[in-house]
Amino acid sequence: GQQVMQIPQYQHVQEGEDFTTYCNSSTTLSNIQWYKQRPGGHPVFLIQLVKSGEVKKQKRLTFQFGEAKKNSSLHITATQTTDVGTYFCAVNDYKLSFGAGTTVTVRA
Amino acid sequence: ETGVTQTPRHLVMGMTNKKSLKCEQHLGHNAMYWYKQSAKKPLELMFVYNFKEQTENNSVPSRFSPECPNSSHLFLHLHTLQPEDSALYLCASSQRTSGTDTQYFGPGTRLTVL
Repeated sequence: GQQVMQIPQYQHVQEGEDFTTYCNSSTTLSNIQWYKQRPGGHPVFLIQLVKSGEVKKQKRLTFQFGEAKKNSSLHITATQTTDVGTYFCAVNDYKLSFGAGTTVTVRA
Repeated sequence: ETGVTQTPRHLVMGMTNKKSLKCEQHLGHNAMYWYKQSAKKPLELMFVYNFKEQTENNSVPSRFSPECPNSSHLFLHLHTLQPEDSALYLCASSQRTSGTDTQYFGPGTRLTVL
């Protein structure tokens, strides 16, 4: 399956600040999905990107698919304590291949 | 969310025990999946069932035996497990019409092998 790498592995954010997590691949990706897993919870689907250069927004979350379809990013503005969790990107090529995730903690 | 349920939520077993994990989806999906999530490792796909037929076995040891009697139910039978098999086992389902379907996860079974 297609491989994706996520950076950073950990993100410690001051409440109210912005941050970005990245998902990178050495090959062209057919699509990217983003999931969020709260501590003690299970992955929950957030968004899917398919088109080159696609940008989608969900309130304070902005998802972007690179022009070359080899990378994706998730940008969160004005971080809140509810944003705590691990954010995974995944490639769906008739089976999901997950990145290792970015675990986000928030300092109040 | 109650679309995908898993039982039990927690399981402790010895290496000589036999146990089964159960997953049920109420979303009318045609595909079901087993994933393993270990500490500090990416989610690992174990098995895929599409219309009750196994379409993917990701080199999983034979001590894990899946069963899918219908599109709504999925089991994972466990026997002679090793301590390194301790992990969160997640079930998911999707409506597989293309390679871009969304997967819905159950709450998982936290397995500890002593």
